[in-house]
Amino acid sequence: DTEVTQTPKHLVMGMTNKKSLKCEQHMGHRAMYWYKQKAKKPPELMFVYSYEKLSINESVPSRFSPECPNSSLLNLHLHALQPEDSALYLCASSRAGDTQYFGPGTRLTVL
Amino acid sequence: SQQGEEDPQALSIQEGENATMNCSYKTSINNLQWYRQNSGRGLVHLILIRSNEREKHSGRLRVTLDTSKKSSSLLITASRAADTASYFCATNTGGFKTIFGAGTRLFVKA
Repeated sequence: DTEVTQTPKHLVMGMTNKKSLKCEQHMGHRAMYWYKQKAKKPPELMFVYSYEKLSINESVPSRFSPECPNSSLLNLHLHALQPEDSALYLCASSRAGDTQYFGPGTRLTVL
Repeated sequence: SQQGEEDPQALSIQEGENATMNCSYKTSINNLQWYRQNSGRGLVHLILIRSNEREKHSGRLRVTLDTSKKSSSLLITASRAADTASYFCATNTGGFKTIFGAGTRLFVKA
């Protein structure tokens, strides 16, 4: 199984809402990633978890809060977002610093 | 600043033609990867080439790496309309951090 799943596919939220994005992989990968991608731009790394511990935080605002409950699951908790946070949020996993397997993404709109 | 920069930014070709995309980067790398992204969807891994490799092939794809020039190229031969997508190079300098280039948007006309 080389699939990374993400839910929901689409999310619309107000600036006062709290929501969560979920990501799951069953490939036994030890690294999981969150990326943010704006239209016609490359993915921008937000967070990396390795062995369920946060290893990279690319100076992401605290309104984004990642969580890795176990080796297969990765969450991104959202609170008090701004309209400029609207983007495609991509989850990925990898065995090491090599091939990453991406999920289909969550299209987030902040009103 | 971005580690990888790609050119051209956009490329439009006829079906059956070859497409070449280039990627330049700034620092020493552990490996370089190429990904494809169809509009608004997740990325799909195409090829990974390590710093000690010079060329790799996968089906209609050929990737070269020149570490002395800090550059890589992706060649798609006999392109098809289904190859229409954005293509990104991504560099890994060790550990888990991978930085994506700006991407090349390829349009293959049927």
